[in-house]
Amino acid sequence: GAVVSQHPSRVICKSGTSVKIECRSLDFQATTMFWYRQFPKQSLMLMATSNEGSKATYEQGVEKDKFLINHASLTLSTLTVTSAHPEDSSFYICSASRAGGPGELFFGEGSRLTVL
Amino acid sequence: GENVEQHPSTLSVQEGDSAVIKCTYSDSASNYFPWYKQELGKGPQLIIDIRSNVGEKKDQRIAVTLNKTAKHFSLHITETQPEDSAVYFCAARGNQFYFGTGTSLTVIP
Repeated sequence: GAVVSQHPSRVICKSGTSVKIECRSLDFQATTMFWYRQFPKQSLMLMATSNEGSKATYEQGVEKDKFLINHASLTLSTLTVTSAHPEDSSFYICSASRAGGPGELFFGEGSRLTVL
Repeated sequence: GENVEQHPSTLSVQEGDSAVIKCTYSDSASNYFPWYKQELGKGPQLIIDIRSNVGEKKDQRIAVTLNKTAKHFSLHITETQPEDSAVYFCAARGNQFYFGTGTSLTVIP
């Protein structure tokens, strides 16, 4: 149990376009989902915390208009990178915490975004 | 806020030997300490965790120890195998999760 699916795993887009990444909890309900960005050989950098039915909470320095997060249901959160630029190229990872659970965090497989 | 430090940043061991990774944390309110294994190009996978009311936990070749007084916890992998090669992250949860900087483990066949 506790599977988090992330899609797409890889995406290449042109500069100026928008890209949507989906994060789904397959076998549990997640009231809270988290979005991270990871640079090569570095740790996970928390971008935002997404709560079902409410606005996401963004970490300092993360542009909320650039990284749109929607958590429309207890099993789905989406991250949209708007007007993408080459510097947005990165590995994006979502995680989810089970509703009513003891607090473990489960991660998706990650999405590699390359902006040309 | 919490500060999690992880050492070493890289670790090479011979197959069959043991590997130990250590983390320290600063917030005494942190009460949950998971360890994650991340293979290249994939998301982190939870491999073992420990809560603040327990001093040690073991799952086959993997064990975690926690010293609340000293605010440090360690991951122990015994009888290492090449497939154990990956990046390992520790984390501490207080009001949110804080991650260590990662340890790149290489098991040499």
